[in-house]
Amino acid sequence: SYVLTQPPSVSVAPGQTARLTCGGNDIGRKNVHWYQQRPGQAPVLIIYYNSDRPSGIPERFSGSNSGNTATLTITSVEAGDEADYYCQVWDNVSDHVMFGGGTKLTVL
Amino acid sequence: QLQLQESGPGLVKPSETLSLTCSVSGGSISSNLYYWAWIRQPPGEGLEWIGSVYYTGSTYYNPFFQSRVSMSMDTSTKQISLRLSSMTAADTGVYYCARLFSGWLYWGQGLLVTVSA
Repeated sequence: SYVLTQPPSVSVAPGQTARLTCGGNDIGRKNVHWYQQRPGQAPVLIIYYNSDRPSGIPERFSGSNSGNTATLTITSVEAGDEADYYCQVWDNVSDHVMFGGGTKLTVL
Repeated sequence: QLQLQESGPGLVKPSETLSLTCSVSGGSISSNLYYWAWIRQPPGEGLEWIGSVYYTGSTYYNPFFQSRVSMSMDTSTKQISLRLSSMTAADTGVYYCARLFSGWLYWGQGLLVTVSA
């Protein structure tokens, strides 16, 4: 089965840029979606189709996908961005959903 | 606005079968655009896709759960159901219902299920 690899944790100071990666074999050929999950809450979609933002998601959140790595970039990080972030793909051949293990973003 | 509401027992005994229901409001359940998925999250851990059901009734399961999972949908009541048999303590977690559209997910609020005698 297809494996998505995320670093368990990333730390960044307020105002700096956080880059969260999601690795997978030839992931650049897939559509990657990103979710933010705050403690005690359900995940919320923040990036879909690699780089599109749902309405209401700040422009500080952006995504890219190429080769074997998809990246979620958060600029001007705020304390409120502290959360777990998950990448996800859907295999439209097997109709299976796959998640990365998640990255805990800590704002120092 | 689409709303998904999970319901079912919050406590299940080991070896029993978990039965959960997801009630859909504010949107169509029978559109060919959507799959309906169940995802769970053990305490302090990541997200695990359990499986999905399409409006035709076709089901797709995570191989990890294949032997003990069953999903179905009832378009008349706008509900999606999950049955997971032979529950153990390792099945404790929050169970989410979600709509899968073009590969991405719209989530319900989740339901905590604890497996304990």
